Amino acid sequence: DQQVKQNSPSLSVQEGRISILNCDYTNSMFDYFLWYKKYPAEGPTFLISISSIKDKNEDGRFTVFLNKSAKHLSLHIVPSQPGDSAVYFCAASALYISSGSARQLTFGSGTQLTVLP
Amino acid sequence: EPEVTQTPSHQVTQMGQEVILRCVPISNHLYFYWYRQILGQKVEFLVSFYNNEISEKSEIFDDQFSVERPDGSNFTLKIRSTKLEDSAMYFCASRETGGRQPQHFGDGTRLSIL
Repeated sequence: DQQVKQNSPSLSVQEGRISILNCDYTNSMFDYFLWYKKYPAEGPTFLISISSIKDKNEDGRFTVFLNKSAKHLSLHIVPSQPGDSAVYFCAASALYISSGSARQLTFGSGTQLTVLP
Repeated sequence: EPEVTQTPSHQVTQMGQEVILRCVPISNHLYFYWYRQILGQKVEFLVSFYNNEISEKSEIFDDQFSVERPDGSNFTLKIRSTKLEDSAMYFCASRETGGRQPQHFGDGTRLSIL
């Protein structure tokens, strides 16, 4: 099942610079996209989301961009901080008649971000 | 900030035994989920639960699995007869309403089957 793909398993960035994490999807039914951050021994923590009716959503240092025609989204972190070092998961959901509004998430495989001091 | 809590943090069980994983979702949330992550693999959806019934389940969620909301606060996942391949991190999540809202996750239960 490769409906959501994160092709970069890891990314290293210098503190203060921009981190760009990428995600591609194949399922045209997806209409809501989320980014989660995960530290070891913790669960995924919600960061930011975007609906398919938008192409950009911003929250502080975090901005998510959605390119529907390319089925691509990206997360920008500016400026990057050492505390941002974690695994970042892209996830997507769709509204299926069979499941009502349950909207289960389909996850990518994650990108390990390391922010170097 | 309200959070989803899961117990135990680590469960070790003999193959063939029953195991119950427990979750307390965020109190005003209406949608509940279980996911699992086998070591080195993606986080996978297992089941969603709304209005006291299963709303969707994946093909992983076979007859060995069941979920229950026994009271107003707990949400449990039971595996009737565990197999070695059930070893994984199990995450509970909850969501406040329908629509495009984020799910909030607990810290997971690490299930180890011997």
